Amino acid sequence: EAGVVQSPRYKIIEKKQPVAFWCNPISGHNTLYWYLQNLGQGPELLIRYENEEAVDDSQLPKDRFSAERLKGVDSTLKIQPAELGDSAVYLCASSLGGTKIYNEQFFGPGTRLTVL
Amino acid sequence: GNSVTQMEGPVTLSEEAFLTINCTYTATGYPSLFWYVQYPGEGLQLLLKATKADDKGSNKGFEATYRKETTSFHLEKGSVQVSDSAVYFCALSPNQAGTALIFGKGTTLSVSS
Repeated sequence: EAGVVQSPRYKIIEKKQPVAFWCNPISGHNTLYWYLQNLGQGPELLIRYENEEAVDDSQLPKDRFSAERLKGVDSTLKIQPAELGDSAVYLCASSLGGTKIYNEQFFGPGTRLTVL
Repeated sequence: GNSVTQMEGPVTLSEEAFLTINCTYTATGYPSLFWYVQYPGEGLQLLLKATKADDKGSNKGFEATYRKETTSFHLEKGSVQVSDSAVYFCALSPNQAGTALIFGKGTTLSVSS
């Protein structure tokens, strides 16, 4: 079974440029997460989707970040314009979802963004 | 609020040495606790978990026991191998359906032969 797929794996851009990251979750997983991992830190949630609905985006900097999950499957995270401080690893994770208290989250390999 | 604190790294050991990585947490209610591992160039992988007090999670020779009285979930392995070199993250889930994980900062383990 394929895991969570993310692309690109690496991205280098100039500041003020836009950038987009793509995530394909595990088939059948209704819940999708985007996490931000700064160097030397643990991942922190940016946004969580239940199917196509963003149910927790309180930590997403909405002035420059946006995300979408059309049809409740793939998701795209966008930054426009990028700033130097956005250099980090962007992780996507998915889980089965539903009302069960805990469903294991499966992580993709991440996209490493460098803003110059 | 909810938070996780784990010991600073890096931890450097020789092969077959005993490993302990300390993790303590702060949480409201009764969280589930996890250890994730991140090998170089790879994504986070679940190593083990415990969902209630006194549970012991174990996998690949690693163990951790959920201690409610000390709010701890220390990771241990009796004999580490070079292939265990990775970054280890302690995390908690507040036990609300679908809630995101809350991670510690990670501890880098380097094992030499």
